[in-house]
Amino acid sequence: AQSVAQPEDQVNVAEGNPLTVKCTYSVSGNPYLFWYVQYPNRGLQFLLKYITGDNLVKGSYGFEAEFNKSQTSFHLKKPSALVSDSALYFCAVRDPYSSASKIIFGSGTRLSIRP
Amino acid sequence: SQTIHQWPATLVQPVGSPLSLECTVEGTSNPNLYWYRQAAGRGLQLLFYSVGIGQISSEVPQNLSASRPQDRQFILSSKKLLLSDSGFYLCAWNQRPEEKLFFGSGTQLSVL
Repeated sequence: AQSVAQPEDQVNVAEGNPLTVKCTYSVSGNPYLFWYVQYPNRGLQFLLKYITGDNLVKGSYGFEAEFNKSQTSFHLKKPSALVSDSALYFCAVRDPYSSASKIIFGSGTRLSIRP
Repeated sequence: SQTIHQWPATLVQPVGSPLSLECTVEGTSNPNLYWYRQAAGRGLQLLFYSVGIGQISSEVPQNLSASRPQDRQFILSSKKLLLSDSGFYLCAWNQRPEEKLFFGSGTQLSVL
């Protein structure tokens, strides 16, 4: 069965510093991986995805993520954090070899950027 | 362009009352449709998904049910709400599994 884990409930970073939000996954084959961001009382917004190809994926708002097959990870990164990046971040996975269409989300990581 | 509508935005219901949340998608056909629940502003739990009319897959045995009476309409229901049904309910869609999900604005349900 597919699963995804976000080991950190909260990540605190000073503005201007690099940030990393961690995600690990478990699927039977090569995964489809996604990152989403949620602002208070809103639906989720898509940031980026990995389907195949280059392991480093670039997305919206300057975010990027690196697919690491050996470590089954897909960490979200940004070279220089902004206060406006403060939000709840979700990693999601789908097993492309599953006959089901379901997409599973991690528990979320709250990112707090201090000025 | 495609849009997703979800209503109501907020709902306060007594324990034991029925529930009906509706989600509709415009500008596309035969979408995959999803219902998620988010408790206390944290993790997203997949409740139901549908790949076509009348085709519903349930992920978690619970007090809720889902129906897809039309191609672009997805309804979440309960006959008798429990306190534990409180949460933020999100509807989402995509066209193919490798595509990103488009989310509705959510319904905040409080069961008292």
